[in-house]
Amino acid sequence: DIVMTQTPLSLSVTPGQPASISCKSSQSLLHSDGQTSLYWYLQRPGQPPQLLMYEVSNRFSGVPDRFSGSGSGTDFTLNISRVEAEDVGIYYCMQSIQLLFTFGQGTKLEIK
Amino acid sequence: EVRLVESGGGLVQPGRSLRLSCAASGFTFDDYAMHWVRQAPGKGLEWVSGISWNSGKIGYADSVKGRFTISRDNAQNSLYLQMSSLTTADTAFYYCAKDINPFGELLHGYFDYWGHGTLVTVSS
Repeated sequence: DIVMTQTPLSLSVTPGQPASISCKSSQSLLHSDGQTSLYWYLQRPGQPPQLLMYEVSNRFSGVPDRFSGSGSGTDFTLNISRVEAEDVGIYYCMQSIQLLFTFGQGTKLEIK
Repeated sequence: EVRLVESGGGLVQPGRSLRLSCAASGFTFDDYAMHWVRQAPGKGLEWVSGISWNSGKIGYADSVKGRFTISRDNAQNSLYLQMSSLTTADTAFYYCAKDINPFGELLHGYFDYWGHGTLVTVSS
């Protein structure tokens, strides 16, 4: 199984300041077809998760452009350029290069 | 509007069985793979199982393999999860999730819509 490791597990950010979450996979997520199967989700309190980013760096429909994703192979990062109050929640990375999909442990973002 | 509504959760004793359902609407159900993802209270997300659009490809997490069975009825726009030999470790919210890729075969899949979940509590 591919293990997904996120850091930090929690962060507290002042509104308007940037935030960064790292996700490392135990195996490369780059497929032979050139696609990298790394995704980011946000779970707001009391809500189901929602898709933020797909294939590392593509914002899903309706996701603000303050969110960006980067990385390759086994190391990935989700960046928020200017945190807003609505960004509070738990962020998860996920891989699907293997049929047994796996998530990171989650990173809880709080507002200072 | 895409809607996924899970049902069938509840309190069940260890060792017993339970069947979850997910009613889908707002999209062409039989074009898309579907998944179950669970979340133990206060814990992270765990992918449980996925099924391709035509049921030709199915996958399970190791933690449920041999105990859970995923299925779908495209005529009824419904997804199911038959759970047996339940243990306390299976206590969780169970989410139904739609794969984004039409006619996907599960690999490289990801979820663009989720239901609100149904709670399964395994306890004596």
